[in-house]
Amino acid sequence: GQQVMQIPQYQHVQEGEDFTTYCNSSTTLSNIQWYKQRPGGHPVFLIQLVKSGEVKKQKRLTFQFGEAKKNSSLHITATQTTDVGTYFCAVTGGGNKLTFGTGTQLKVEL
Amino acid sequence: DAGITQSPRHKVTETGTPVTLRCHQTENHRYMYWYRQDPGHGLRLIHYSYGVKDTDKGEVSDGYSVSRSKTEDFLLTLESATSSQTSVYFCAISDGALVYGYTFGSGTRLTVV
Repeated sequence: GQQVMQIPQYQHVQEGEDFTTYCNSSTTLSNIQWYKQRPGGHPVFLIQLVKSGEVKKQKRLTFQFGEAKKNSSLHITATQTTDVGTYFCAVTGGGNKLTFGTGTQLKVEL
Repeated sequence: DAGITQSPRHKVTETGTPVTLRCHQTENHRYMYWYRQDPGHGLRLIHYSYGVKDTDKGEVSDGYSVSRSKTEDFLLTLESATSSQTSVYFCAISDGALVYGYTFGSGTRLTVV
């Protein structure tokens, strides 16, 4: 099935700094999704990217899908303590199944 | 999220005992999934269902079975629990329109001692 590598595994930032997590695949992806999981919580869907080179924004979050549709990134501008959590990318396989990356755990220090 | 509940939320069980986790949805979604989450592994698919009595294996299905006799319920059974099955188990639902993503339940924390 589809696999994605997600980096970094952990990221500690000072509040106000930017943060980026990356997902990379060796194969062309049909689409990619991003989820956020707060500590002790469950994953929550953020967005889906489908088109080559697509860029979508949600307030301070910017999502990009690579031109070759083999990689994607999530960038957070000026992090806040509310951004703390683990961010996962996920890719679609057959049968409406999602394969998740291993996640990037973000910690924000005051 | 509203519309999907998992039970129990926490469970401690002994090695070798059978355990059943329940996922209940009120969204009438066709697809239901069971994932386990372990440090360093992210979320891994155990089994999924694409309709009543229609199920299939995921990447880590050994030692697990599922049943879906009604649209709203998806049961995960650990046939004979082992310590390696200590994990957090998440159920998720989807209507098949992936633009809306999956909706996850709050999870069940299972400890096998």
